[in-house]
Amino acid sequence: EDQVTQSPEALRLQEGESSSLNCSYTVSGLRGLFWYRQDPGKGPEFLFTLYSAGEEKEKERLKATLTKKESFLHITAPKPEDSATYLCAVQVPSGYALNFGKGTSLLVTP
Amino acid sequence: DSGVTQTPKHLITATGQRVTLRCSPRSGDLSVYWYQQSLDQGLQFLIQYYNGEERAKGNILERFSAQQFPDLHSELNLSSLELGDSALYFCASSVVWDTGELFFGEGSRLTVL
Repeated sequence: EDQVTQSPEALRLQEGESSSLNCSYTVSGLRGLFWYRQDPGKGPEFLFTLYSAGEEKEKERLKATLTKKESFLHITAPKPEDSATYLCAVQVPSGYALNFGKGTSLLVTP
Repeated sequence: DSGVTQTPKHLITATGQRVTLRCSPRSGDLSVYWYQQSLDQGLQFLIQYYNGEERAKGNILERFSAQQFPDLHSELNLSSLELGDSALYFCASSVVWDTGELFFGEGSRLTVL
């Protein structure tokens, strides 16, 4: 059973065109929700941790928010260097290992 | 640079063979994780070690095994390889065992022909 679903699978934006990526989860008793960025040929890089509904975290042009069923990664005025795959993950109920979604591949064109 | 070192970066082998992937965690990190990434399955958790002991197990096949040594480096052994084992294998590390803030290496790309 999929615990983490990300949408859209791929997103193409013009530079400066703001948008949001979605991560919905079905885990009960969420321990934490995590956002990672993965560049081609590289390992994922940690971005944010969210623990409870209503929480928000920001870093440069990125803002992550959390509700009881989903998380959003808002990208404001993106630049080409924001192009990457963004991965969402939850800590599984039975332990602390991360269960990742399949990611959203973001391409920002000049 | 995350500080996590994985070798080899690329590996091509034949079905039925056995390979060993190596991971050196960041200095000071006691926990090591192994993940498999394929196009259709995404990033799948395999196994976690903390200070030499197995801490958690995910979807790791019986043909696969891992261990963490006293110097904290870890090895993932893949045997009786099949075409479907072709994937990127990532190692990650963290200071504590219960965090979701992991530091990933650049991966080992395994191709089974």
